[in-house]
Amino acid sequence: ETGVTQTPRHLVMGMTNKKSLKCEQHLGHNAMYWYKQSAKKPLELMFVYNFKEQTENNSVPSRFSPECPNSSHLFLHLHTLQPEDSALYLCASSQALDNYGYTFGSGTRLTVV
Amino acid sequence: AQRVTQPEKLLSVFKGAPVELKCNYSYSGSPELFWYVQYSRQRLQLLLRHISRESIKGFTADLNKGETSFHLKKPFAQEEDSAMYYCALKGQGAQKLVFGQGTRLTINP
Repeated sequence: ETGVTQTPRHLVMGMTNKKSLKCEQHLGHNAMYWYKQSAKKPLELMFVYNFKEQTENNSVPSRFSPECPNSSHLFLHLHTLQPEDSALYLCASSQALDNYGYTFGSGTRLTVV
Repeated sequence: AQRVTQPEKLLSVFKGAPVELKCNYSYSGSPELFWYVQYSRQRLQLLLRHISRESIKGFTADLNKGETSFHLKKPFAQEEDSAMYYCALKGQGAQKLVFGQGTRLTINP
């Protein structure tokens, strides 16, 4: 599959669970991103990775832990989340520092119960 | 600090009428500006970039540095234009893309 693929599409987890979100891009991009999309807030940038190195952490709580093993894969590990963390989590990729914008995945709809 | 403001959360127009979705930004340098669109049940996708000065699906947007605006316009709205529209800004030489809150556009038949 081409583009940016996110799995799972939907996830329901309890506050004591540990789960992971996965993102994969087949575009040859060298930068990947996690965004959080909540109902009443703008898209919030969470993490930026360039060439597998984290270059930005936008004051994200430590219960969210990203991992980027290579330029094509990005994970978001979740543990002891709160109900307010329920949101759509979007992954995106780009060529770092170009001006073509980002390519987004379809997102993972996360519900914390 | 970089900030993008879309003052209208909801905008409703009739088919065939002109559409303008407002976007204002706050940034001290020369920004790169984008419009993204999210149709129902589809992923967020790039609509147009100010740097390319292109028209996509009949939409255009002009960067007005004096007014710090990047409004999206279309002279004749179509029903398939109904979607969520996001304005986004990238700082000069930067990588981070900052989004506005989005405007939900509804085109009535």
